[in-house]
Amino acid sequence: NAGVTQTPKFQVLKTGQSMTLQCAQDMNHEYMSWYRQDPGMGLRLIHYSVGAGITDQGEVPNGYNVSRSTTEDFPLRLLSAAPSQTSVYFCASHPWVTGTDTQYFGPGTRLTVL
Amino acid sequence: TQLLEQSPQFLSIQEGENLTVYCNSSSVFSSLQWYRQEPGEGPVLLVTVVTGGEVKKLKRLTFQFGDARKDSSLHITAAQPGDTGLYLCAGARETSGSRLTFGEGTQLTVNP
Repeated sequence: NAGVTQTPKFQVLKTGQSMTLQCAQDMNHEYMSWYRQDPGMGLRLIHYSVGAGITDQGEVPNGYNVSRSTTEDFPLRLLSAAPSQTSVYFCASHPWVTGTDTQYFGPGTRLTVL
Repeated sequence: TQLLEQSPQFLSIQEGENLTVYCNSSSVFSSLQWYRQEPGEGPVLLVTVVTGGEVKKLKRLTFQFGDARKDSSLHITAAQPGDTGLYLCAGARETSGSRLTFGEGTQLTVNP
């Protein structure tokens, strides 16, 4: 199993550009999440999904869209990039909604918005 | 304001020393997890604690969940350079299902 994969690893955007961060998992996990990590702020939840066709907002959803058409894929779209979205983005998945399950994280995408 | 506050934020010690990292909140959590993250990688789960007062040991690492389930600590005995990394606590509240709230993290450096 590859686990959770994310592409690209690095990305530089100009203000106003749009892009999609890809996330895929091959563990058949129902629950997937997107986080952003900024220095001194830990990880903050952007959006999450409890299954195909179901998504919901997390703590910092503004400026981001998600969709979940399959169990495996959970892309994150930046509609119009802003410098405040410069961050490291992590996708995570886990098998069930109990709060005690292991979350498996991808390697991250480091995004810089100029 | 962080829901989960970790202290210290940075810690630099010599190999062989002991250390404790704290994770505190005014909220009650149904479970609390500790993750370790190395540069360029995603966090990796170390342990999950679910019962107030629970103590779990993972080799030289000891994790404790507070009796009131509002705080937790991570104690490392005889730290080694391989323990270097960012340690994150994350809690799940009963009202938030499986959504985790993360602390700011503690950057630990163990010097040989």
